[in-house]
Amino acid sequence: EDQVTQSPEALRLQEGESSSLNCSYTVSGLRGLFWYRQDPGKGPEFLFTLYSAGEEKEKERLKATLTKKESFLHITAPKPEDSATYLCAVVSGGYQKVTFGIGTKLQVIP
Amino acid sequence: GAGVSQSPSNKVTEKGKDVELRCDPISGHTALYWYRQSLGQGLEFLIYFQGNSAPDKSGLPSDRFSAERTGGSVSTLTIQRTQQEDSAVYLCASSRTSLSEQYFGPGTRLTVT
Repeated sequence: EDQVTQSPEALRLQEGESSSLNCSYTVSGLRGLFWYRQDPGKGPEFLFTLYSAGEEKEKERLKATLTKKESFLHITAPKPEDSATYLCAVVSGGYQKVTFGIGTKLQVIP
Repeated sequence: GAGVSQSPSNKVTEKGKDVELRCDPISGHTALYWYRQSLGQGLEFLIYFQGNSAPDKSGLPSDRFSAERTGGSVSTLTIQRTQQEDSAVYLCASSRTSLSEQYFGPGTRLTVT
């Protein structure tokens, strides 16, 4: 069975204080790893897809990286509007459904 | 273009009643997913439809839960004889394929009193 573990569960940063969120996974043949952002009261919003180790994707202050065992979401000089829950999900070769982690709740203080 | 829509946005029902939740996916998306999210919890997979294949129902918590997808488009999640523990936000998502990113609807907040 696929497993996804995200850490930390919660993270509080000062505005401008860069940090990273971790997503560790155990799957039988990774087909894709996804990062989503979820704001309170809304459905998750797609951020990135990573398919193979060594791949990197960037969008504004966010950068996602992938190794064979984990993915990192790096947040550079965050702003209060980056406050949200960040979810990681994987799709493996052995399963059709997507497995989500429980997320990291990020709070950026002005 | 239009995103994924869900209705109703909120539903309050009495324990023991049946409820139907509706999801309109993005046109052309072959994959459709239902999830449940309880307060402060992660996404709990419920059911997955892919094209005309038999749905993956492995996440349904009990036989009170069922779902159908008509004509490869609109989907309905039905909960019979609702219980208080069914209270949660029910999210629907669609994607072009099973390996593509998912687009989520705004969810239906179900409260069972």
